[in-house]
Amino acid sequence: DVKVTQSSRYLVKRTGEKVFLECVQDMDHENMFWYRQDPGLGLRLIYFSYDVKMKEKGDIPEGYSVSREKKERFSLILESASTNQTSMYLCASLTQGRGYNQPQHFGDGTRLSIL
Amino acid sequence: QQQVKQSPQSLIVQKGGISIINCAYENTAFDYFPWYQQFPGKGPALLIAIRPDVSEKKEGRFTISFNKSAKQFSLHIMDSQPGDSATYFCAALRSGGYQKVTFGTGTKLQVIP
Repeated sequence: DVKVTQSSRYLVKRTGEKVFLECVQDMDHENMFWYRQDPGLGLRLIYFSYDVKMKEKGDIPEGYSVSREKKERFSLILESASTNQTSMYLCASLTQGRGYNQPQHFGDGTRLSIL
Repeated sequence: QQQVKQSPQSLIVQKGGISIINCAYENTAFDYFPWYQQFPGKGPALLIAIRPDVSEKKEGRFTISFNKSAKQFSLHIMDSQPGDSATYFCAALRSGGYQKVTFGTGTKLQVIP
């Protein structure tokens, strides 16, 4: 069965800290995504990656960076955490395969609080 | 810029009733429209999806209606059950490329007994 695992369900950090959110998928998917979910705003794409060491900015990349050193792992980095980055973060993966009727597979999210 | 507008933000329906969630998009390049269902504490999961060359798709109690000329699509949940209580997201994407998905803002559905 498809599995996307996010390393932490809940995380509390302080303003100015460097924060790492980790995501691992076991499906050999080429594409991986990081979203943040906020009430009333839905899911907004932060960054995505279509291959190892490749990355593309999403709609709200400011204040974030990403790393993809291995195909199965995609990390989101908050360089200097701020309170407005308190949110639910969701990782997803997707096969590049033929056709576009392939669903994104999501992890269960990391609820991050910045104090 | 919100490219997929979703309404209502929240919805309360009695058991056995019909739940209706509406979405509208702007980008005519979108050619695939999935709906995701998210239960509390879980990530979203694909529920049902439609391509614009059909006007309706039905899977069990869930139906998508699609109006290409109006650039609108909607999810109907027939005979709504308490187990359907969840947040629903419509989405749109352009096939090919990196399959970047644009999501709506979500609708929190509560089905009361």
